[in-house]
Amino acid sequence: GAGVSQSPSNKVTEKGKDVELRCDPISGHTALYWYRQRLGQGLEFLIYFQGNSAPDKSGLPSDRFSAERTGESVSTLTIQRTQQEDSAVYLCASSLYFNNEQFFGPGTRLTVL
Amino acid sequence: SQKIEQNSEALNIQEGKTATLTCNYTNYSPAYLQWYRQDPGRGPVFLLLIRENEKEKRKERLKVTFDTTLKQSLFHITASQPADSATYLCALRDNAGNMLTFGGGTRLMVKP
Repeated sequence: GAGVSQSPSNKVTEKGKDVELRCDPISGHTALYWYRQRLGQGLEFLIYFQGNSAPDKSGLPSDRFSAERTGESVSTLTIQRTQQEDSAVYLCASSLYFNNEQFFGPGTRLTVL
Repeated sequence: SQKIEQNSEALNIQEGKTATLTCNYTNYSPAYLQWYRQDPGRGPVFLLLIRENEKEKRKERLKVTFDTTLKQSLFHITASQPADSATYLCALRDNAGNMLTFGGGTRLMVKP
């Protein structure tokens, strides 16, 4: 596609439920990043994938958070047993190589009731 | 500890004036710094990259400076327009090759 796409655009869930957020990066981009952005805040790095290397999970806030990426394509961020503090916009970005200019998707707004 | 700081207060300026936004960093040895624009409900969009050995970079009405002595980058928009109203984020990558780290952003409001 022309840009990074994310789905769903909005997700409302109940505390304790699991959610899956999807990211389709730009074709050919080897690097993919997930960030969290709380209201009025900056971007908080969560996890990074580069090609077939082991992902950098250093930003994941707890073991309830996990992510997978199939080759150099789609990625899924999973949050298990959601908590109210997980409410935020989750942004995905891709870049041609690590730490090149990053192209961001529109984000998924997650609301945990 | 490492910090990247941007003014959290909104910057309000009149159309036609130059907007100047500040990004200060602490305890980084930067390789480069990037500036992004973010509109409400959208993901950030890359604007400019400046390397640690560059003093200034320009792109149309945008100018970025990088002072590694002051540990500061300034982002200027000349002849500002209401369409420039957005949040502007700086992001820094250090020489250790770590992840790009973002500042909290500064909201710019350009009034007609």
